[in-house]
Amino acid sequence: ILNVEQSPQSLHVQEGDSTNFTCSFPSSNFYALHWYRWETAKSPEALFVMTLNGDEKKKGRISATLNTKEGYSYLYIKGSQPEDSATYLCASYAGNNRKLIWGLGTSLAVNP
Amino acid sequence: DVKVTQSSRYLVKRTGEKVFLECVQDMDHENMFWYRQDPGLGLRLIYFSYDVKMKEKGDIPEGYSVSREKKERFSLILESASTNQTSMYLCASSPARWAQPQHFGDGTRLSIL
Repeated sequence: ILNVEQSPQSLHVQEGDSTNFTCSFPSSNFYALHWYRWETAKSPEALFVMTLNGDEKKKGRISATLNTKEGYSYLYIKGSQPEDSATYLCASYAGNNRKLIWGLGTSLAVNP
Repeated sequence: DVKVTQSSRYLVKRTGEKVFLECVQDMDHENMFWYRQDPGLGLRLIYFSYDVKMKEKGDIPEGYSVSREKKERFSLILESASTNQTSMYLCASSPARWAQPQHFGDGTRLSIL
């Protein structure tokens, strides 16, 4: 793949549910994979930057994994809360390109 | 904490005007970026700069120019504003290494009438 693709496009879950979404990216010349959270009326906030195959990162109830050989990353949210409602963006950096390639995001809504 | 400050949250301009959007960061970051965000299109890179006086075109540079005379400041210029440039504009900065995250400003909602 040449672009960064995220799925699903949107997701509605109940408070307390655990959820996950996918980011697929070009695996050739891979250098780094970024995850951001973008809440309405705020600016995007970095969650993780991952570089190594098999990398796992965790921040509170949110974690991410990375598979650089097959070109995908999963973001997991355990026990979703209404404050987790946001758009989650991933972006890939390949070493032969000076810029991040952004996905369109997964929009998460957590119902109380 | 890194602070990226954009000069205006909301801006209304007229077609044909020259528009300046200013961005200042306080963490001595080498890289600075201008994006626009439109519904259904995600974040699209307009221009970026990896050093003072250096700039590179992003994915949609047409109708825009940039200026980076000082390390902390990156300006986006709409030479002759048009209605299709109505959008949310986001500035970001990051250290030189691409394994470091980008830090974003609050955005400028620009309307061209």
